[in-house]
Amino acid sequence: KAGVTQTPRYLIKTRGQQVTLSCSPISGHRSVSWYQQTPGQGLQFLFEYFSETQRNKGNFPGRFSGRQFSNSRSEMNVSTLELGDSALYLCASSLDNRSLFYGYTFGSGTRLTVV
Amino acid sequence: SQKIEQNSEALNIQEGKTATLTCNYTNYSPAYLQWYRQDPGRGPVFLLLIRENEKEKRKERLKVTFDTTLKQSLFHITASQPADSATYLCAPGRGGSGNTGKLIFGQGTTLQVKP
Repeated sequence: KAGVTQTPRYLIKTRGQQVTLSCSPISGHRSVSWYQQTPGQGLQFLFEYFSETQRNKGNFPGRFSGRQFSNSRSEMNVSTLELGDSALYLCASSLDNRSLFYGYTFGSGTRLTVV
Repeated sequence: SQKIEQNSEALNIQEGKTATLTCNYTNYSPAYLQWYRQDPGRGPVFLLLIRENEKEKRKERLKVTFDTTLKQSLFHITASQPADSATYLCAPGRGGSGNTGKLIFGQGTTLQVKP
């Protein structure tokens, strides 16, 4: 079966611009989470969506937002980009909505560079 | 605050030997702990999950232990191969509807297996 698909794979944006990243989870997975990965901070949780509702949110500013559609596909948006937003953004889907006993399946990520 | 610590230095071992990676956590009471493998430029890949009431779990050449008293998990790769070279991440999780989808990842330990 197809894995988690993230688009685009690479992105270069200018400070002050906004960006939208897309994630298609594994078919049947209804929970989608987003993580930011940087060399200094590692993997940090952004937010999680389940059945089009945000269930959890990490400690990121309001410039970071997301949404989930009825087909479980998810998008995240970053407005007013800053240089520090340069990172690998990873989407992960999971089968069970009550726990992660089945583990996450991650996409390959979107590498965002802000110049 | 919650803290997850993994060996920050790279672990270099000879092919055929057993690699042992450590994950320590503080100010946290996870219901389970997950281990992932990450290759450069790719998303993490789920390897194993161990629950708080399990002492040990095995999968092929992999073995994970979980000591809730010591607040530590050990991850072993026996008969290591150069293809095992990667960064390994631990991620304790709480589960439950309030914490679903939110994992706190360690910074990861890079393993290099030399032929």
